[in-house]
Amino acid sequence: TQLLEQSPQFLSIQEGENLTVYCNSSSVFSSLQWYRQEPGEGPVLLVTVVTGGEVKKLKRLTFQFGDARKDSSLHITAAQPGDTGLYLCAGYTGGGNKLTFGTGTQLKVEL
Amino acid sequence: EPEVTQTPSHQVTQMGQEVILRCVPISNHLYFYWYRQILGQKVEFLVSFYNNEISEKSEIFDDQFSVERPDGSNFTLKIRSTKLEDSAMYFCASSPERGLAKNIQYFGAGTRLSVL
Repeated sequence: TQLLEQSPQFLSIQEGENLTVYCNSSSVFSSLQWYRQEPGEGPVLLVTVVTGGEVKKLKRLTFQFGDARKDSSLHITAAQPGDTGLYLCAGYTGGGNKLTFGTGTQLKVEL
Repeated sequence: EPEVTQTPSHQVTQMGQEVILRCVPISNHLYFYWYRQILGQKVEFLVSFYNNEISEKSEIFDDQFSVERPDGSNFTLKIRSTKLEDSAMYFCASSPERGLAKNIQYFGAGTRLSVL
């Protein structure tokens, strides 16, 4: 069973602070995706990383895929209240098309 | 922008009753999925469907569950005899093709199933 552990589980910060969310596994993933989920909504894709060591930027969000493709991180610069939400990593192993989701990080950004 | 739509948004049922959750995937997508999220827990894969048959299923997807694509637009999940532990958010997803980065799954807003 492939497991994706995210840390921290909960994060409450002030507007303007920086933060990093981690997604770790003992398994190798062929790709990792980051989603954000609002209450009562489905996950919305933020980014997909495929190559070990890959770094992708989406405005104030920076995503990195570990060299061994077992871990990933999401860094947010100058967090805003609009960044509040549940951040999920999810990945594919092997040739399947089943997404394995991480345990989630609930982020709250306060004024 | 095309999106996956799910109905109803909330379904309340009595234990032992059958429920059908409906999904309209994005029109040119070929792969369809159901996931569930029990309150406070992570999103779990249930089943994937391609070319009118199940391509992969999890251990959660037992004989009480079935999926169907009854026409060219709908994709349904049926639970024959609901249990209390089936209470969860059920998400439908679709993707245009498989293969690493191309296999981006787009999720619907979910159906909240409450079994009483």
